[in-house]
Amino acid sequence: NAGVTQTPKFQVLKTGQSMTLQCAQDMNHNSMYWYRQDPGMGLRLIYYSASEGTTDKGEVPNGYNVSRLNKREFSLRLESAAPSQTSVYFCASSVVATHGGGNQPQHFGDGTRLSIL
Amino acid sequence: GENVEQHPSTLSVQEGDSAVIKCTYSDSASNYFPWYKQELGKRPQLIIDIRSNVGEKKDQRIAVTLNKTAKHFSLHITETQPEDSAVYFCAATLIIQGAQKLVFGQGTRLTINP
Repeated sequence: NAGVTQTPKFQVLKTGQSMTLQCAQDMNHNSMYWYRQDPGMGLRLIYYSASEGTTDKGEVPNGYNVSRLNKREFSLRLESAAPSQTSVYFCASSVVATHGGGNQPQHFGDGTRLSIL
Repeated sequence: GENVEQHPSTLSVQEGDSAVIKCTYSDSASNYFPWYKQELGKRPQLIIDIRSNVGEKKDQRIAVTLNKTAKHFSLHITETQPEDSAVYFCAATLIIQGAQKLVFGQGTRLTINP
């Protein structure tokens, strides 16, 4: 049981290049999330997907796109990378019960360390 | 939207002493408050959480208290050990359109001095 798996672990890009960060979870969670973490700061939500087939913007969505490919996979794409997008990116997943049960913890992947030159 | 303030930003305590980290939130609709521990270069890991219908929760050396009226919650670590050194994040959670919206505090870097 791997939990949340992110690939790649490290990446260096040049300004203007594009790339896709991959995330997969094997916990049968319905909701998935992408965060970025900058030095000395907490995690900020980029995009989230409440369930398969839906995606919504979070706090800092500009410059990013996402795809919820299926229940397991949620990818984050940088179409034209900028130095301001240098960060550590975390994917997370959780169960969100619509009837009772309430909130459950989000489980995080190991992160992707992205540097843009 | 929700805003979470976390204090202090750094905390240094002697091994065996207690550590307290405090957070305040702005949206009274927030109803779930997890705490995460993050070691250098690692993922955030849940250490304890509390729901809005509970005032206090304890798990061995870790406890969390919640004051809904004042909109603040705190993490208490007793009998601190060197392995408690890490960055700790609080978060406040709303459920919007079927998904959790976590808003994190800025983090507290806790150092345990032997």
